[in-house]
Amino acid sequence: DVKVTQSSRYLVKRTGEKVFLECVQDMDHENMFWYRQDPGLGLRLIYFSYDVKMKEKGDIPEGYSVSREKKERFSLILESASTNQTSMYLCASSLPGQGIHQPQHFGDGTRLSIL
Amino acid sequence: AQSVTQLDSHVSVSEGTPVLLRCNYSSSYSPSLFWYVQHPNKGLQLLLKYTSAATLVKGINGFEAEFKKSETSFHLTKPSAHMSDAAEYFCVVSRWDSSYKLIFGSGTRLLVRP
Repeated sequence: DVKVTQSSRYLVKRTGEKVFLECVQDMDHENMFWYRQDPGLGLRLIYFSYDVKMKEKGDIPEGYSVSREKKERFSLILESASTNQTSMYLCASSLPGQGIHQPQHFGDGTRLSIL
Repeated sequence: AQSVTQLDSHVSVSEGTPVLLRCNYSSSYSPSLFWYVQHPNKGLQLLLKYTSAATLVKGINGFEAEFKKSETSFHLTKPSAHMSDAAEYFCVVSRWDSSYKLIFGSGTRLLVRP
């Protein structure tokens, strides 16, 4: 079974802090994703990485950056946390598409509160 | 533009009765479609996927969905609800402009009454 592990289930930070969310997958997947989930809005893609050191912006990248130094690890960085970044953050991984959409495997999420 | 609409934000059923969660999509090409389930304080888990093979797709835990192109629908069904089915369900459609980007519906919360 694919396992995607997010380092923290709950996190409380202060406005202006630099925040790191970590994600590790154990299935050698090329693709990794960061989403945020807000009530009534479903999931929105923040960033995507298709290989080590490669990244693409998703639909809502503003205020975020990412790092992928190793294939199994994908980090989301809030450069200067703000209260509107309080949310549930979900990491996912998948095989490369190669013309078809592969299902994504999700971690259990990090519930981040910015005070 | 592509979109996915889950027609009910909440559905309530009694244990042992059928489940129907409705999903309509809008796409100018033949998309891939997925249903995911999210239990409280958990990530999303894939229930089933449609990728242009059989129109009736069977998934895990007794769920199935039927792709109806003429109705642009991909409704999720289960013959008999179990208490453990209480969760939030997301209908998801692939984006034509990307081999990896997905569009998530806003979710349907399923409540199962004893």
